Amino acid sequence: DTGVSQDPRHKITKRGQNVTFRCDPISEHNRLYWYRQTLGQGPEFLTYFQNEAQLEKSRLLSDRFSAERPKGSFSTLEIQRTEQGDSAMYLCASSVGGESYGYTFGSGTRLTVV
Amino acid sequence: SQELEQSPQSLIVQEGKNLTINCTSSKTLYGLYWYKQKYGEGLIFLMMLQKGGEEKSHEKITAKLDEKKQQSSLHITASQPSHAGIYLCGAAEETSGSRLTFGEGTQLTVNP
Repeated sequence: DTGVSQDPRHKITKRGQNVTFRCDPISEHNRLYWYRQTLGQGPEFLTYFQNEAQLEKSRLLSDRFSAERPKGSFSTLEIQRTEQGDSAMYLCASSVGGESYGYTFGSGTRLTVV
Repeated sequence: SQELEQSPQSLIVQEGKNLTINCTSSKTLYGLYWYKQKYGEGLIFLMMLQKGGEEKSHEKITAKLDEKKQQSSLHITASQPSHAGIYLCGAAEETSGSRLTFGEGTQLTVNP
């Protein structure tokens, strides 16, 4: 097991285009989280899944954002009609249960909207 | 919602010096996590504290959670250039049960 994998590592897109990111969590982890981090700030929670169910979404997750975890394994985060304000690092994390068990983060996908 | 304040925002020390980073919460902490991040990379888990008065150490890094569970400190002894990076504290909210709220981070530079 190589930890949490995110793909791609970097993405440059033109404003208005759609982008999709993928996260592969640690295989035995049933919880998966998405965070967004801008320069000089800590990560901000976007959404999380327990197995395939999306249990919580932040107000940061506008209707242009959608996340899925179809089989309770990998997850995708799609941003439609990207805006320059969407430029950030998108981090995925997974855990085996609740917060007592810790969270393992991936290396992130850095999105630049030009 | 819970807010975490980290201090200092940035820190420059000479190799070999000791240093402390603080994390203060606006609410009682259910769980407090310390992570390290290199610029442009993901977060590396350091330690998790849950009980008031708890203290954990790993190599030259020690983290403590105060008795009231509203403040945590991260102490590095005899700092090395490899300790350089951004240190982030994250808190689990009891009512939420799952997501973490993070502080803004402390940028540490260790000069050789």
